[in-house]
Amino acid sequence: EVQLVESGGGLVQPGGSLRLSCAASGFTFSSDWMHWVRQAPGKGLAWVSRINSDGSRTTYADSVKGRFTISRDNAKNTLYLQMNSLRAEDTSVYYCARSLLGRSDYWGQGTLVTVSS
Amino acid sequence: QSVLTQPPSASGTPGQRVTISCSGASSNIERNAVSWYQQLPGTAPRVLIHSNSQRPSGVPDRFSGSKSGTSASLAISGLQSEDEADYYCAAWDDSLTGVLFGGGTKLTVL
Repeated sequence: EVQLVESGGGLVQPGGSLRLSCAASGFTFSSDWMHWVRQAPGKGLAWVSRINSDGSRTTYADSVKGRFTISRDNAKNTLYLQMNSLRAEDTSVYYCARSLLGRSDYWGQGTLVTVSS
Repeated sequence: QSVLTQPPSASGTPGQRVTISCSGASSNIERNAVSWYQQLPGTAPRVLIHSNSQRPSGVPDRFSGSKSGTSASLAISGLQSEDEADYYCAAWDDSLTGVLFGGGTKLTVL
């Protein structure tokens, strides 16, 4: 059974940093592109970033470029999102997703990040 | 135009057929495949349709997707109360070099 379990969310002050993790199991993690998608409270979905299977290629939404870094450790079957210079508008539930837009598309349950003083 | 436009709301009675539209542009829907997601209250999104019209295993055949030019549609036939949810379209956008989501459509089963 495919499982994606996010962790690392919480309350952080504006300008602070946080690292999210996504533990994957039930599939060959090292074969798939992985993504982060977020959803602000009461709002729609917004794509954040993606990384290819071996971690050599990354892409970011303009809203997080230069502040967020996506990475992965295929030996640990774990995806990461390092978030720096956090702003109030980054407050969201962050989902990791496998093969977004593809036939193996699957999402975790999400972790809440709240940026507030 | 790097925006996917959906109606904010839709409704139907049990047993009815409803459609939800998703309007985009040549940089996204016309050139790339469309996926549709269902988000039940308090849960993570799950894919209903990928590659414009393909249903993953486990998704009822009441759900169907189509695409024509710069627009796509999700149809739900035999509407059931458990279909009450938010629905999102999504596609890769070549101009943004990223995934675009529609604003979402809240489906109410009357």
